[in-house]
Amino acid sequence: AQRVTQPEKLLSVFKGAPVELKCNYSYSGSPELFWYVQYSRQRLQLLLRHISRESIKGFTADLNKGETSFHLKKPFAQEEDSAMYYCALKRTGFQKLVFGTGTRLLVSP
Amino acid sequence: DTEVTQTPKHLVMGMTNKKSLKCEQHMGHRAMYWYKQKAKKPPELMFVYSYEKLSINESVPSRFSPECPNSSLLNLHLHALQPEDSALYLCASSQLAGVSYEQYFGPGTRLTVT
Repeated sequence: AQRVTQPEKLLSVFKGAPVELKCNYSYSGSPELFWYVQYSRQRLQLLLRHISRESIKGFTADLNKGETSFHLKKPFAQEEDSAMYYCALKRTGFQKLVFGTGTRLLVSP
Repeated sequence: DTEVTQTPKHLVMGMTNKKSLKCEQHMGHRAMYWYKQKAKKPPELMFVYSYEKLSINESVPSRFSPECPNSSLLNLHLHALQPEDSALYLCASSQLAGVSYEQYFGPGTRLTVT
């Protein structure tokens, strides 16, 4: 069975500092990885997916199959980045999305 | 319309009540999902409908009964729930299930079982 691990429940940084939210997964096949974000009082929404290889709101994430990781990075955090971030995995060709336990990012001024 | 809507926002029900949660989307998506989210926990998949047919039931107790009357609507019928079923119930939709399409989430229905 696939599993997603986000080791940090809370990550607190100052504005302008670099941010890295860790995500590790266990799955022997070919996974599809996503980052979802939930801002305060807003609905859960997609931030990034690994197949797109894009940068959204300054965030990037690279799938490292050797280390089975999909860490989310941003070089300079902003206060508006404060939110709950979930890493999620889906098996290619299957419907089920499995979420990690989430990391709350707090960016202080 | 690019949103998933859910009604009601809040629901309080007794253990003997029957109630329904409703979810609607008008994005032409053919896959719809129910998730359960307990406080400070990630969403957990309950059901997936693909082309209005139930394709995944994650061993959910029969007191939860999903229904997909058409491609835009998804219901979750509740009967004889337990207090531990209190949670935020999220609906989501995507263009298709089984491919790497974005899931669009609704705001959720916060259910309290007394």
